[in-house]
Amino acid sequence: DAGVTQSPTHLIKTRGQQVTLRCSPKSGHDTVSWYQQALGQGPQFIFQYYEEEERQRGNFPDRFSGHQFPNYSSELNVNALLLGDSALYLCASSLGPGGNYGYTFGSGTRLTVV
Amino acid sequence: SQQGEEDPQALSIQEGENATMNCSYKTSINNLQWYRQNSGRGLVHLILIRSNEREKHSGRLRVTLDTSKKSSSLLITASRAADTASYFCATDTGGGGADGLTFGKGTHLIIQP
Repeated sequence: DAGVTQSPTHLIKTRGQQVTLRCSPKSGHDTVSWYQQALGQGPQFIFQYYEEEERQRGNFPDRFSGHQFPNYSSELNVNALLLGDSALYLCASSLGPGGNYGYTFGSGTRLTVV
Repeated sequence: SQQGEEDPQALSIQEGENATMNCSYKTSINNLQWYRQNSGRGLVHLILIRSNEREKHSGRLRVTLDTSKKSSSLLITASRAADTASYFCATDTGGGGADGLTFGKGTHLIIQP
């Protein structure tokens, strides 16, 4: 039973470019949340997708957008990359948006903006 | 903003000793969760404790929650080298869970053989 799968593992982009990160949730999970983790910090909530809709968003600008597909997989898009967007991006899945049984996290995508 | 605040920021102990990490938070919560992260990779869910619970056990892990003090502690007994990792507390403030988890900065635990 596969856990949460994220791709790619590592990515280097140039300032001003756009990037798309992908996430496949754990089998049986229907909700995907995205987090940004800067070096030495705890993860910060970006947004959550359930029933193919963005349910809630953290304190992130509109440059961060996402999508959820009918098979529950999700994409995170970041436009006009800034150096400060360099971070580990984590995807977490759960059964339902409540996450009352905890979340399953992927191994993350390490994004470096140069 | 980060609601949770772990203490200490770093902890180094000998293998076999117990490790205790503390977490304080600011607002009312629905539940509090502890996660482990190895070398900046994905987080592993350890324990979830609901706001109406005071203590929970899982193997060598014991978590307590004091909602009156807005604090929680994670105890790892009989530590092993493999327990070396960063440990994060995360709070779920409710709202149907759609507000996401709010994490602290973590405690970096080093178990010396």
